[in-house]
Amino acid sequence: AQTVTQSQPEMSVQEAETVTLSCTYDTSESDYYLFWYKQPPSRQMILVIRQEAYKQQNATENRFSVNFQKAAKSFSLKISDSQLGDAAMYFCAYSYSTGANSKLTFGKGITLSVRP
Amino acid sequence: KAGVTQTPRYLIKTRGQQVTLSCSPISGHRSVSWYQQTPGQGLQFLFEYFSETQRNKGNFPGRFSGRQFSNSRSEMNVSTLELGDSALYLCASSFYRAQDEQYFGPGTRLTVT
Repeated sequence: AQTVTQSQPEMSVQEAETVTLSCTYDTSESDYYLFWYKQPPSRQMILVIRQEAYKQQNATENRFSVNFQKAAKSFSLKISDSQLGDAAMYFCAYSYSTGANSKLTFGKGITLSVRP
Repeated sequence: KAGVTQTPRYLIKTRGQQVTLSCSPISGHRSVSWYQQTPGQGLQFLFEYFSETQRNKGNFPGRFSGRQFSNSRSEMNVSTLELGDSALYLCASSFYRAQDEQYFGPGTRLTVT
């Protein structure tokens, strides 16, 4: 079974600084998708970034970027120039590539606080 | 366009009762997934519907069921409620499958007393 591990339950960052959130996963598949979702206090889950395993290039979305290490099964999220609005719970998630297994497996999440 | 909507937003039920939650996906989206979120277990996949058919199912007892209508709206039902069913139930929609960009609703907070 696929598992997603987020070993740090909480992290804190100073406003305008950079923070990296860690995620590791376990799978025997070669083609899959990885995601980072943000859940602010409103509880509305928002997709932050998506990475397809067969793509070598790390995904980037504005201040958010990932470091995808396929061999190490590691998928970390880097938030640059942290803003107060980045404070939220962040979930790493995995999904098979095939349409027949269309579900996400989530990690336990990490709570990120941003200090002004 | 309108986002994913879930009704009701909050619900209080008693043990043994049953409950039905509703989810309206984004217009044009045909895949609807349901997740249960609790502090202890985190986010767990319940099931996914596509074109009125259940395409995937998580490891939940048969008390949890769902369905999808021809307009892609989905409902989930929990029968014989237990205290442990207290959770935030999230619905998510995507055009075809969860691997595509998946949009989540605000959730329904269910409390079982």
